Amino acid sequence: SQTIHQWPATLVQPVGSPLSLECTVEGTSNPNLYWYRQAAGRGLQLLFYSVGIGQISSEVPQNLSASRPQDRQFILSSKKLLLSDSGFYLCAWSVGFDRVLSGANVLTFGAGSRLTVL
Amino acid sequence: AQRVTQPEKLLSVFKGAPVELKCNYSYSGSPELFWYVQYSRQRLQLLLRHISRESIKGFTADLNKGETSFHLKKPFAQEEDSAMYYCALPYSGAGSYQLTFGKGTKLSVIP
Repeated sequence: SQTIHQWPATLVQPVGSPLSLECTVEGTSNPNLYWYRQAAGRGLQLLFYSVGIGQISSEVPQNLSASRPQDRQFILSSKKLLLSDSGFYLCAWSVGFDRVLSGANVLTFGAGSRLTVL
Repeated sequence: AQRVTQPEKLLSVFKGAPVELKCNYSYSGSPELFWYVQYSRQRLQLLLRHISRESIKGFTADLNKGETSFHLKKPFAQEEDSAMYYCALPYSGAGSYQLTFGKGTKLSVIP
């Protein structure tokens, strides 16, 4: 069965420090991968998605970047954190686009990473 | 552009009372809609999707294209239904697949 792992679960970082959140998926190949940010009253905001290795699409201009160095690995990064980067970050995966067309299109989410920037 | 609107940030009902979580969408085409739920200290997870026409944990949702709505309903609320609920609308194109989420409604069931 497929599983998704996300770490660290909690992170407290000073303003101006770098960030690296990691997400890995097991039990599937060529998944679509996503980074969302969840904020109270603002819902789920899609930050980045990837349909393959090295292919990253950004939905919102951010102080953040994403990379996909391997098929089932998705990394969210920042060179210098801002206070406004604090939040709850969710990684998710879905089957690849070719299988979406067959109706298999559910997103499965990781447990999340809570980032506090001080 | 497609959009999902959940007009209520918070909904409080008494145990045993009916529940309706509202969701309206804006989409040109035939939509496929989902409800996701996040219980306290648990992962965000799929509750149901309209294409399956299923009832999960007593919840149902009917797609009303005329009113562009996909409201989530349950006839008798239970305490364990207290959670954050998100309505979501997928779209695919240019080799990608994404979900647009509403801002969510927090359901609180009062014992």
